[in-house]
Amino acid sequence: GIQVEQSPPDLILQEGANSTLRCNFSDSVNNLQWFHQNPWGQLINLFYIPSGTKQNGRLSATTVATERYSLLYISSSQTTDSGVYFCAVVSYSGGGADGLTFGKGTHLIIQP
Amino acid sequence: ETGVTQSPTHLIKTRGQQVTLRCSSQSGHNTVSWYQQALGQGPQFIFQYYREEENGRGNFPPRFSGLQFPNYSSELNVNALELDDSALYLCASSLAGMGVGELFFGEGSRLTVL
Repeated sequence: GIQVEQSPPDLILQEGANSTLRCNFSDSVNNLQWFHQNPWGQLINLFYIPSGTKQNGRLSATTVATERYSLLYISSSQTTDSGVYFCAVVSYSGGGADGLTFGKGTHLIIQP
Repeated sequence: ETGVTQSPTHLIKTRGQQVTLRCSSQSGHNTVSWYQQALGQGPQFIFQYYREEENGRGNFPPRFSGLQFPNYSSELNVNALELDDSALYLCASSLAGMGVGELFFGEGSRLTVL
């Protein structure tokens, strides 16, 4: 099956800093999503971005499908940005409803 | 617009018992999928339901089963619980139909098996 690697695994930043989270995947994809998991466990949908660039406030994401990676940018970090960020994909070759394959996540801590 | 809701939020069972988890999909969504998230790991796909039929399944044994109802709500049933079934169970809904579209998740049901 498709492999999803996220980096870095852990990131500690001061409030106000900017960060870039990376997601590499091993096969062509037709679905890519970024999620933020809050301390209570809920997965918050950040972006649905199988290709191209999107922005939502302080967050933006870019997926370069031909090179099999996606980047999530967080600018002017706030303590509420802390949590685990997941990248999840569906491969073209999977066929049917194979579900999302998640990476192991990036654990982000924003210190005041 | 009502989001995805799950119940119960927390529950404790003993090994060998059976459990049923429930999910109401986001209004307007016709597809429901379930994921298992062990501590410190990313979620893993269990199965997906569309038109009350399972149309995709991950690497989970048959003792994990599900239902989807005409109102698109869903249940996840796990029989003969094992200690390793302790996890956060996440339900997601979408407009995907037969495929995997943009998923929206509920807050999860945290199951502890003793």
